[in-house]
Amino acid sequence: SQTIHQWPATLVQPVGSPLSLECTVEGTSNPNLYWYRQAAGRGLQLLFYSVGIGQISSEVPQNLSASRPQDRQFILSSKKLLLSDSGFYLCAWSTLAGELFFGEGSRLTVL
Amino acid sequence: KQEVTQIPAALSVPEGENLVLNCSFTDSAIYNLQWFRQDPGKGLTSLLLIQSSQREQTSGRLNASLDKSSGRSTLYIAASQPGDSATYLCASGLGGGADGLTFGKGTHLIIQP
Repeated sequence: SQTIHQWPATLVQPVGSPLSLECTVEGTSNPNLYWYRQAAGRGLQLLFYSVGIGQISSEVPQNLSASRPQDRQFILSSKKLLLSDSGFYLCAWSTLAGELFFGEGSRLTVL
Repeated sequence: KQEVTQIPAALSVPEGENLVLNCSFTDSAIYNLQWFRQDPGKGLTSLLLIQSSQREQTSGRLNASLDKSSGRSTLYIAASQPGDSATYLCASGLGGGADGLTFGKGTHLIIQP
């Protein structure tokens, strides 16, 4: 069966510091991968999606970037965090039918 | 651009009641519609997926329906239990689905013991 792992679970970082969140999927090949952010009162916002290695699409302009160095690995990064980057970040993968499965999430607090 | 709205934002009912959560979307050309459950501080758990060609899906005490022409989906929960307390989100996908889903803000459900 397929599983998705995301880490770290929680992170407290100062403004201006770098960020790296990692996500891996097991049990499937060439999945579509996604990074979402969930902010209080704003719902889930799609940040990036990827249909293959090295292929990244960005939905909104922002201080973040994503990379997909391997088929089942998706990384969310920032060179310098802003206060507004605080939130709950969720990695997900989708089946061919478009069904979305999420990781457990990473809570980022920027101070 | 697709917009998804969920009403009500919060709901509190006694245990044992049947209840309906509502989801509406602005673009009826959806690829699919998916219902999720989210417990506090956790990721989203997929409950039901309805493809655009389907009218409903059922899983245990849950039944989700889809009416594309009116831009609506409902999630019916039968015989509610305290363990059903969570936030329920619906999301719709356009096109081929590779570019992700658009989410509603969710309905926060509390089942009173």
